[in-house]
Amino acid sequence: QKEVEQDPGPLSVPEGAIVSLNCTYSNSAFQYFMWYRQYSRKGPELLMYTYSSGNKEDGRFTAQVDKSSKYISLFIRDSQPSDSATYLCAMILIQGAQKLVFGQGTRLTINP
Amino acid sequence: KAGVTQTPRYLIKTRGQQVTLSCSPISGHRSVSWYQQTPGQGLQFLFEYFSETQRNKGNFPGRFSGRQFSNSRSEMNVSTLELGDSALYLCASSSSGQDEKLFFGSGTQLSVL
Repeated sequence: QKEVEQDPGPLSVPEGAIVSLNCTYSNSAFQYFMWYRQYSRKGPELLMYTYSSGNKEDGRFTAQVDKSSKYISLFIRDSQPSDSATYLCAMILIQGAQKLVFGQGTRLTINP
Repeated sequence: KAGVTQTPRYLIKTRGQQVTLSCSPISGHRSVSWYQQTPGQGLQFLFEYFSETQRNKGNFPGRFSGRQFSNSRSEMNVSTLELGDSALYLCASSSSGQDEKLFFGSGTQLSVL
């Protein structure tokens, strides 16, 4: 079983839809949670960075963390074709040494 | 501020050869991490260097090695290439380590024939 599970998709939605991307994890020692966006032929870029349970909003993006359920989500409102990319969740495991673990990534396409 | 620069962008090699990839981090960043990305396995951590010392290492065979220079630039070397080494190799820099936000380069796409 992987430490971080993320549905690879692909996910295809019409422009303007609300998109929900999710990851689950198994170890409660994960403390910091991130979402990266990766366009084709590019490296990942950091979108959101959170620590505590709850919601964090940045423009059309909302990151949600539920530590009790070991579940994190990224919501994209009013989705645009330019949001088409692969979205990777990532989290830092703190058990003595720190370890950064990425999810598999979800490939998202927004159709005009 | 310039971003993370990786060279070359594309590379084609044959089995048994060796390859060296280069990464220049963001100015002032002292930590450089290397990742391998494949469609099947996703992003997998190779190693991290901080101030010229390897601080963390992933579960890759000894054919994969790296180093960091005093100016924080880093190189990654893969010897005796195998077909399965075909992947996008990504370098990421941060100011101090993995608990910091990572800034990735565009990667080197390596194809092993």
